[in-house]
Amino acid sequence: NAGVMQNPRHLVRRRGQEARLRCSPMKGHSHVYWYRQLPEEGLKFMVYLQKENIIDESGMPKERFSAEFPKEGPSILRIQQVVRGDSAAYFCASSPPGTEDTQYFGPGTRLTVL
Amino acid sequence: DAKTTQPNSMESNEEEPVHLPCNHSTISGTDYIHWYRQLPSQGPEYVIHGLTSNVNNRMASLAIAEDRKSSTLILHRATLRDAAVYYCILRGAPGTYKYIFGTGTRLKVLA
Repeated sequence: NAGVMQNPRHLVRRRGQEARLRCSPMKGHSHVYWYRQLPEEGLKFMVYLQKENIIDESGMPKERFSAEFPKEGPSILRIQQVVRGDSAAYFCASSPPGTEDTQYFGPGTRLTVL
Repeated sequence: DAKTTQPNSMESNEEEPVHLPCNHSTISGTDYIHWYRQLPSQGPEYVIHGLTSNVNNRMASLAIAEDRKSSTLILHRATLRDAAVYYCILRGAPGTYKYIFGTGTRLKVLA
């Protein structure tokens, strides 16, 4: 059973460009979570999605950030008009449906904004 | 959200047991205690979790105090590959999905 997949692993963007980060959950998992980790800090929750629904986006910045988890395909975290402060590692986690919701994390995407 | 407190760093010799403490004095009755570890440049890896009773798995053991205000992750024989940042996280009742990460304990294993 393959783990959580994220791509790209590394992404470089110039200020003002868009960044798209993809996450494929583990097989059988229908819940996806995105976290951001700034250098030398712990992970910070951003958003929780189920298929075609955003359940909690309380950790998402109000502007430029959006997330989706369509019926088919991976979950996407989209950052528009990136700024240097967006440089961080972005981790996706997934959990199965139901009450057993231990989260399993992907390897992360490291975004660098020049 | 209930908070956890961990030492910033610890050292251990290879092949020796390691006890990583976590204080969570404001834990509620339905909070689960989860441990994850993060190796350099990788995502967090699930280690173990428990509610009230001590737990064992192939990676580690989790000892939970009787009053549940603290817990200890036990690595029985540390190896160099166990060098990582270890996070103690409280997760609420099933359906409470948001993990609150602290700064964790950086474990250094000496050869």
